[in-house]
Amino acid sequence: SAVISQKPSRDICQRGTSLTIQCQVDSQVTMMFWYRQQPGQSLTLIATANQGSEATYESGFVIDKFPISRPNLTFSTLTVSNMSPEDSSIYLCSVNRGIQQFFGPGTRLTVL
Amino acid sequence: KNEVEQSPQNLTAQEGEFITINCSYSVGISALHWLQQHPGGGIVSLFMLSSGKKKHGRLIATINIQEKHSSLHITASHPRDSAVYICAVSYGGATNKLIFGTGTLLAVQP
Repeated sequence: SAVISQKPSRDICQRGTSLTIQCQVDSQVTMMFWYRQQPGQSLTLIATANQGSEATYESGFVIDKFPISRPNLTFSTLTVSNMSPEDSSIYLCSVNRGIQQFFGPGTRLTVL
Repeated sequence: KNEVEQSPQNLTAQEGEFITINCSYSVGISALHWLQQHPGGGIVSLFMLSSGKKKHGRLIATINIQEKHSSLHITASHPRDSAVYICAVSYGGATNKLIFGTGTLLAVQP
């Protein structure tokens, strides 16, 4: 199994500011995934973060808006830049072990 | 691009009822996942299936590979089962990323 923690658990931010979300895993993993869940919607993959290389972004997501760091095998950050109310979502970090998936508790972001 | 469709989108049941949530997908997969998301947002993996049937307590998950269909059953439902249930599929490969269904919002009333 994998235990994942995220910080912050929630935040309320002003338009135009940026927020960095941290994800910590209790053991080393090759890939970490960042998902977004907009209100009333299911999860959408933002990007896959590999240690030692650039993150791989899904269609519709760009590095300038969602820069990601992956400094080691147990930690990653996702920054939501120049926020607008449309960025209000739950952001979730996830890892897999084989084909089993584990999720962090999520960061609930509200942008005013 | 694989589509993952769930039905129903919303489900209200009385305590004790037998509940079925369905999931269909359009292309071959390596595994299908059933996830539970509580109102606070946290997601728990309930099952991971590549064939057949799995049971855990009051929860049963089945998958039919030929028909590209899976069901999640809850027996003797309870108000604490109220949550969003999400079906997701993975293709394997280097990233093994998940494609998610839109979820089923279940409310079990006492």
